[in-house]
Amino acid sequence: DVKVTQSSRYLVKRTGEKVFLECVQDMDHENMFWYRQDPGLGLRLIYFSYDVKMKEKGDIPEGYSVSREKKERFSLILESASTNQTSMYLCASSTGSSEHYNEQFFGPGTRLTVL
Amino acid sequence: KNQVEQSPQSLIILEGKNCTLQCNYTVSPFSNLRWYKQDTGRGPVSLTIMTFSENTKSNGRYTATLDADTKQSSLHITASQLSDSASYICVVSGNNAGNMLTFGGGTRLMVKP
Repeated sequence: DVKVTQSSRYLVKRTGEKVFLECVQDMDHENMFWYRQDPGLGLRLIYFSYDVKMKEKGDIPEGYSVSREKKERFSLILESASTNQTSMYLCASSTGSSEHYNEQFFGPGTRLTVL
Repeated sequence: KNQVEQSPQSLIILEGKNCTLQCNYTVSPFSNLRWYKQDTGRGPVSLTIMTFSENTKSNGRYTATLDADTKQSSLHITASQLSDSASYICVVSGNNAGNMLTFGGGTRLMVKP
């Protein structure tokens, strides 16, 4: 079974702090994604990566950066956390080998609260 | 602009009853449509996937339908159980570079005993 793990289930940070969210997948997937999920807005794509050291902006990249130094690990970085970044953060991965059956496998999520 | 709209936003039904969730999309060109189930505090898990040529797909008590002409999909849950309480998310993949996904806002289903 595909397993996508995230470093923390719950996280509380203060405004201005630097925050790292880690995601690891064990299925040798090429693609990895970071989303945030807010009530009434659904999942919104922040950044994604098709390969090591490669990153692409999603729909809402402002205030975030990412790092993919190894294939299995994709990190989301909040350089200076703000209260409007309080949200559920979901990581996902998918294989790059199929053009159509691109199921994304999701991690359990990290609920981040910025005070 | 690619959009996926789901209805209703929330639904409460009694255990054992059936229900149908709706998904309308404007994603073009279309590749496939998935229904995900997301339990509270968990990541979404795929239930079904349908491509352009498929108009119905079952997974146990879950049956998804797709009308590619009207760009509508439904998820029918039969004989609901308490464990069906979750959010159900419709996700459409475009047949373009990167096959990026467009997510619906989800329907929150609560099954009461």
